[in-house]
Amino acid sequence: KNEVEQSPQNLTAQEGEFITINCSYSVGISALHWLQQHPGGGIVSLFMLSSGKKKHGRLIATINIQEKHSSLHITASHPRDSAVYICAVKPGKYIFGTGTRLKVLA
Amino acid sequence: KAGVTQTPRYLIKTRGQQVTLSCSPISGHRSVSWYQQTPGQGLQFLFEYFSETQRNKGNFPGRFSGRQFSNSRSEMNVSTLELGDSALYLCASSFGQSENIQYFGAGTRLSVL
Repeated sequence: KNEVEQSPQNLTAQEGEFITINCSYSVGISALHWLQQHPGGGIVSLFMLSSGKKKHGRLIATINIQEKHSSLHITASHPRDSAVYICAVKPGKYIFGTGTRLKVLA
Repeated sequence: KAGVTQTPRYLIKTRGQQVTLSCSPISGHRSVSWYQQTPGQGLQFLFEYFSETQRNKGNFPGRFSGRQFSNSRSEMNVSTLELGDSALYLCASSFGQSENIQYFGAGTRLSVL
């Protein structure tokens, strides 16, 4: 079993839909990161969370340290949100989830 | 402020050769981390440097090495290249230790023939 599990692996949504991507981990951590990777490889850090909830524009990230679970929500999804979303944790050194490939259709 | 710069962007090498990749962090950032990304294994952590000291190392063979200079620029070296080393190599910098938000470079795509 991987130490960081993401679901779903692939997700196709219609423009405007509310999207949730989940990340569960089995190790003790001090923080969890959500990353976005567009085709071509560029990675952008979206959030770093150690507790509670953070919001940036249409993106919301939550974390429950006790349950070892985090979610990334996208409200009013848009085709430009199409990307791979990756969660990462750092119990010493970074461990990455396998990513969720999101495609938003116009 | 300039972002994280990785050079070269693309590289083609043959088995047995060695390669050096370079990363210039954002000005003022002292932490640099390196990652390997392949379709099969996804993103994997290689090294983390802070103020010229290696703070963490991933589970890669000794053929993979790195260093950080006094100006925070970093290099990673892969010796005796194997076909399986073909990957996108990403560098990320942060102001403090890597628990902070990391800023990624565009990566170096290495192909080993």
